Order: sequence, then C-alpha cells, then structure tokens
Amino acid sequence: EDQVTQSPEALRLQEGESSSLNCSYTVSGLRGLFWYRQDPGKGPEFLFTLYSAGEEKEKERLKATLTKKESFLHITAPKPEDSATYLCAVQRNSGGYQKVTFGIGTKLQVIP
Amino acid sequence: DGGITQSPKYLFRKEGQNVTLSCEQNLNHDAMYWYRQDPGQGLRLIYYSQIVNDFQKGDIAEGYSVSREKKESFPLTVTSAQKNPTAFYLCASSPSSATQYFGPGTRLLVL
Repeated sequence: EDQVTQSPEALRLQEGESSSLNCSYTVSGLRGLFWYRQDPGKGPEFLFTLYSAGEEKEKERLKATLTKKESFLHITAPKPEDSATYLCAVQRNSGGYQKVTFGIGTKLQVIP
Repeated sequence: DGGITQSPKYLFRKEGQNVTLSCEQNLNHDAMYWYRQDPGQGLRLIYYSQIVNDFQKGDIAEGYSVSREKKESFPLTVTSAQKNPTAFYLCASSPSSATQYFGPGTRLLVL
C-alpha cells in the first residue's frame, strides 16, 4: 500500500527564518509527487509536480526537491502570508487510473 | 476565468435526508474526483470519473453516489446511508490522470 508521511506536523517560524518540510513516501513505481498549499477553509492550491529523483522546481520563496524516498519543500526567508498547510501527495505509475495518496500535511505558521 | 466551482460553500443535512453537492469545471478536463477531508487525516477518495457517463468507486464510496452526464459537471449525493457525513468535501479535475486541481470545497454539517 502506498504511504505518505509528512513531518513535522506543525512548524512555527519567525519571518525570514528559512526551513524545510519533509515528505517521505513509499510507492510501487512513482508517476509523480505533488505539493499543494491549503489555506483554512479552502481547497488545496497546486504548487509543484516532480517526476524523477534529482528534479527541482522553484516558485518565489518555495523550492521543491525529490529523491527516491522523500521530497523536501524548502522555504527561504518566509513571510507571514506563507502561513498555510502544505500537502504532499504521490501518484502511482500503473495501468488505468493511477491512484493519488495524500499526506496529512504540515501546518506552517510564520510569525512577523 | 477557467476553474472549478463548488456549491454551496456550506450545507446542512437533517437526519435521513439526501443532499447533493455541486461541482462544475470549465478547464476541459476529462477526469473529475471527489474527496473527503477530515481533521488529522489525508484526503480520501470517494468517487472518480475518467470520462463522461463512466465513474468508479474510490476508497470510501459507501453512502455516496455520483453521476457524470456532462464533461463539465460531477455532482455528489450524500445519502442517508452515510452515517458520519460531517466533513469538508473537495472536488478536483485533471487532464487524464495528470496533476489534479481542486475547487474551493463544501463544508457539510449535520443538524
């Protein structure tokens, strides 16, 4: 069974204090790994898709990286508006419908 | 503006009542999905549809039903058989099993 474990569950940072969120996964054949941002009471907002180990993607203060066992979401010099829950998900590479398995998320709070 | 819309934002269900959640997309995506989100749990798949007039059960389909008569629309009915319906319901769409894009969600509460 595919599994996604995100750590830490919650993270509190001072504005400007860089850090990383971890997503460890087990899946039989990775088709893609996804990162989403979710604000309270809203739907997840797509951030990145990573397909193979060694791949990196960046968007503003966020950078996502991928290895064969885990992904990191690096947040550089965060601002209060980066406060949200960050979700990680993996998609299996198989015939027909490729199921997506989601982690519980990391709740990030950035203090001014 | 292209996107996914869900309505209503909040929905109240009485005992024994069926309720329907709306999901519409104008992204021309083939696949659509319904997820349920509960505190402390990852998103769980209820139903998915890869093409019009076809849909499949997900991991927690009991007590739910769907239809896919149009490419743009994928309504979810929460039936009286669903004994614990209180949750945040999310609809998503994707271009054929690629990255999924989510709507704003519907919060269902039981009176």
